[in-house]
Amino acid sequence: QVQLVESGGGVVQTGRSLRVSCAASGLTLSNYGIHWVRQAPGKGLEWLGSISFDGSNKWYRESVRGRFTISRDKSKNTVSLQMNSLIGDDTAVYYCAKGRDSGPVATAFDYWGHGTLVTVSS
Amino acid sequence: SYVLTQPPSVSAAPEKTAKITCGGDNIGTKTVHWYQQKPGQAPVLVIYYNSDRPSGIPERFSGSNSGNTATLTISRVEAGDEADYYCQVWDSSSDHYVFGTGTKVTVL
Repeated sequence: QVQLVESGGGVVQTGRSLRVSCAASGLTLSNYGIHWVRQAPGKGLEWLGSISFDGSNKWYRESVRGRFTISRDKSKNTVSLQMNSLIGDDTAVYYCAKGRDSGPVATAFDYWGHGTLVTVSS
Repeated sequence: SYVLTQPPSVSAAPEKTAKITCGGDNIGTKTVHWYQQKPGQAPVLVIYYNSDRPSGIPERFSGSNSGNTATLTISRVEAGDEADYYCQVWDSSSDHYVFGTGTKVTVL
């Protein structure tokens, strides 16, 4: 049974950094593109970025490029989202999701984690 | 940037049909995916590649895509279908995934 679990959320001060991770059971993450999506309270879904199955290609939303970085740890079967210079607008539930196909673009997200809440407070 | 527009809300009586539209410039040339999200839960994929259903999704859910509008149709609506629904595409001109604005489906 495929399961994705995010961790690392919490309360962080404006301007500080936070790293959230996505761990998997029932599948090997390095076989799939992995995607990060966030949802601010009461708002819709917002794609943040994606990483290819082998980590060689990454795509980021324009508004977070340069502040957010996605990386893989193949040995731990995890994917992480490093977030720097956090601001209030970054307050959201952060989801990782698995791409349905091996390619990271134009694919559907067929498994999602339960999400981890990041609150940026001044 | 590419924009996907959905109606904020759609309602339907039980056993009737609910249609959720997703408007975008020449969206018919793109591949559309649809997600269902219930309160406090993660999104669930209900339609991929415009009209394919993942295993476990009832046949009552169907999708189409043509011209400037993609449509998710829920036939024989049930109380359990109450949720927010989002469309999604990959915009190759910006290398971005784009989600629609979301539609809240209410069962009357």
